[in-house]
Amino acid sequence: ETGVTQTPRHLVMGMTNKKSLKCEQHLGHNAMYWYKQSAKKPLELMFVYSLEERVENNSVPSRFSPECPNSSHLFLHLHTLQPEDSALYLCASSQRDRGAYGYTFGSGTRLTVV
Amino acid sequence: SQKIEQNSEALNIQEGKTATLTCNYTNYSPAYLQWYRQDPGRGPVFLLLIRENEKEKRKERLKVTFDTTLKQSLFHITASQPADSATYLCAADTGGFKTIFGAGTRLFVKA
Repeated sequence: ETGVTQTPRHLVMGMTNKKSLKCEQHLGHNAMYWYKQSAKKPLELMFVYSLEERVENNSVPSRFSPECPNSSHLFLHLHTLQPEDSALYLCASSQRDRGAYGYTFGSGTRLTVV
Repeated sequence: SQKIEQNSEALNIQEGKTATLTCNYTNYSPAYLQWYRQDPGRGPVFLLLIRENEKEKRKERLKVTFDTTLKQSLFHITASQPADSATYLCAADTGGFKTIFGAGTRLFVKA
């Protein structure tokens, strides 16, 4: 366990479904991130929350909707996804100073869109 | 645009040798570089961070260098073991909350 917990670990959903990914950290970090990792491609930053305020939205399609109710929890709500959205979705946290001491990642949610 | 590249997609070495992985960046000057290890189906695990005013950083069998003239970081694993087999990611800050990651180098250490 890294201190960042993601659920579920695996998710298969149809293109018309609505689902949510959950991330939880109790490291005392106050910045949280969603990354997408596709095969053989670099991690792509999706969203950043710092002190529960969204500070980065990296041109992500509106079918992905983040939510950060407090500094320990982060959600990614999914609806009407496309097959190309199949990937490993990673949550990370850091101290507010932008990862100057490294990021702590969860184990990820392997998402398959059918 | 800001880019970070890890030269080798895969690297095969013999147990006991030193593995050297390369990370190059272009079109900007990061204040620090990070290195992560990622095992299949898992999230990256933070290993080391080196700042632009540091030439070298060590942690046990790991060593990282940062050459701002060459715009390059080297990551060394000495006395490599089969358990070191994994994908290693380089990452660079861009001055905001956005950290850019390389695509990774898969290291295979043969016994």
